[in-house]
Amino acid sequence: DVKVTQSSRYLVKRTGEKVFLECVQDMDHENMFWYRQDPGLGLRLIYFSYDVKMKEKGDIPEGYSVSREKKERFSLILESASTNQTSMYLCASSMTSATGELFFGEGSRLTVL
Amino acid sequence: AQSVTQPDIHITVSEGASLELRCNYSYGATPYLFWYVQSPGQGLQLLLKYFSGDTLVQGIKGFEAEFKRSQSSFNLRKPSVHWSDAAEYFCAVGDNFNKFYFGSGTKLNVKP
Repeated sequence: DVKVTQSSRYLVKRTGEKVFLECVQDMDHENMFWYRQDPGLGLRLIYFSYDVKMKEKGDIPEGYSVSREKKERFSLILESASTNQTSMYLCASSMTSATGELFFGEGSRLTVL
Repeated sequence: AQSVTQPDIHITVSEGASLELRCNYSYGATPYLFWYVQSPGQGLQLLLKYFSGDTLVQGIKGFEAEFKRSQSSFNLRKPSVHWSDAAEYFCAVGDNFNKFYFGSGTKLNVKP
């Protein structure tokens, strides 16, 4: 069965801390994505990657960076966490195909105090 | 620019009643359309997708959706709702560059 695993379901961090959110997929997918989900706003794309070491900004990249050193792993980094980054973060992957659907992890709920 | 609109934020239906969730999209080319469902505390699960061909597509859990190009719509339907269908539903459009655009979601409440 296909699987996207996000290492932390719940995190509580303090303002200014560096935060790493890890995501691993076991489907050999080329594309990986990080979304942020907030009530009433749906899912907003932060970054995506279509190959190892490749990344592209999504709609809301400010305050975030990403790393993709291996095909199966895509990390989201908050260099200096702020309270407005309190949110649910969803990782997803897909094949390189215009018809490739997204497979999602269960999400990481981050609270920044 | 691509966009997806789900005009209903919350919908409440009685168990056994029919359901229709609305989705309108804005996209310049042939859209790839998806409906996802999210149960509380979970990630998103694909219900169904449309790429081409028959404009009425069947999905899992008894859901179907109809693509209407003239109305730029892709509404989700189910003839008889079950209590387990209570969740949040997201419509999405995919482009040729492997990017996906999501609506803001519709929360479905099912009355016993």
